Amino acid sequence: EVQLVESGGGLVKPGGSLRLSCAASGFTFSSYSMNWVRQAPGKGLEWVSSISSSSSYIYYADSVKGRFTISRDNAKNSLYLQMNSLRAEDTAVYYCAREGSSWSEYYFDYWGQGTLVTVSS
Amino acid sequence: QSVLTQPPSASGTPGQRVTISCSGSSSNIGSNTVNWYQQLPGTAPKLLIYSNNQRPSGVPDRFSGSKSGTSASLAISGLQSEDEADYYCAAWDDSLNGFWVFGGGTKLTVL
Repeated sequence: EVQLVESGGGLVKPGGSLRLSCAASGFTFSSYSMNWVRQAPGKGLEWVSSISSSSSYIYYADSVKGRFTISRDNAKNSLYLQMNSLRAEDTAVYYCAREGSSWSEYYFDYWGQGTLVTVSS
Repeated sequence: QSVLTQPPSASGTPGQRVTISCSGSSSNIGSNTVNWYQQLPGTAPKLLIYSNNQRPSGVPDRFSGSKSGTSASLAISGLQSEDEADYYCAAWDDSLNGFWVFGGGTKLTVL
């Protein structure tokens, strides 16, 4: 059974840092691209960042570029999101999501339960 | 302001058929496939439709998707109370270095 379990969320002051983790199990982690998607309270989904299976390709949303860093450790079946210079508008539930594919078409086929990040003084 | 445009709300009575639209542009829906996600209250999103019209294993055939040009639609037939949820469309956008874009979400109410 595919499982994605996020951790590391919490309350942090504006300008602070936080590192999120996503522990993966039930599939060959090193074969899949992974993503972070966030959802502000009462709002819709917003894609944050993607990383390819071997970390060769990394993408960021403009809203987090230069402040967030995505990484992975295939030996530990883990995905990370280092968040620096946090702002109030970064307050959200952060989900990790596996990027599945079929005939070169891509989609988020499994999602974690999410971890809440609150940026407030 | 989301890159993909969805109506904020939709509603129907049990047994009815409802559709939810998703409008984009040539750089996203116009050149890439559309995926739909269902988010039940208080839970994580779940893949509902991928590659415009494909259903993952376990998704009832009451759910169907279609795409034409720069727009896509999700149809739910035989509406059930457990279908009450938020629905999001998503697609890859080829602009600049590329990125995933979502619609703002449609809250479906079963009356």
